[in-house]
Amino acid sequence: AQSVTQLGSHVSVSEGALVLLRCNYSSSVPPYLFWYVQYPNQGLQLLLKYTTGATLVKGINGFEAEFKKSETSFHLTKPSAHMSDAAEYFCAVTTTGGGNKLTFGTGTQLKVEL
Amino acid sequence: EAGVVQSPRYKIIEKKQPVAFWCNPISGHNTLYWYLQNLGQGPELLIRYENEEAVDDSQLPKDRFSAERLKGVDSTLKIQPAELGDSAVYLCASSFGENYEQYFGPGTRLTVT
Repeated sequence: AQSVTQLGSHVSVSEGALVLLRCNYSSSVPPYLFWYVQYPNQGLQLLLKYTTGATLVKGINGFEAEFKKSETSFHLTKPSAHMSDAAEYFCAVTTTGGGNKLTFGTGTQLKVEL
Repeated sequence: EAGVVQSPRYKIIEKKQPVAFWCNPISGHNTLYWYLQNLGQGPELLIRYENEEAVDDSQLPKDRFSAERLKGVDSTLKIQPAELGDSAVYLCASSFGENYEQYFGPGTRLTVT
């Protein structure tokens, strides 16, 4: 079985500050990991993914995440927050042979303040 | 490239009434997913289609929910009869082949009164 834990249901940062959204996963086999963003009344948009290879992955809108197997983590970061980053962020996991069944975390609402 | 299309975007019905949601995936995407997203939660898979075959419907409440994907393209999700607890957002997603990226539609927000 696979699962995802997102620490902090709400995160607030100042514009220009570092964004750090935490995600820890549990999987008995090597995971594939994803971050999605959801703006109000919209569907989910893929920010970035890790499948194999380089553990530091870069995504859209200046976001990146690092896969750390030893810590079972896949935290999302952005060096400088922008007002347009305010949204809900979901971490998700799947595995090979898992039929591409995504298991999502409960989400982190990011607020960006002036 | 057109994205995943869902309709209606919003639906309000009384309990015990039937309701149906429609999804048209990205052209060429053979895998289609229906997810349920409750308020403040992440999406949960209801059913996954490979072409026209439902290959994972273990989370679909089959007593009241049904789905079909005729001709392996667009899909319909139905609830009959609806209950108050069915109020949620129903998301459709699609993907292609071994690509693990799923593309999501805007969802249908269902309110059952």
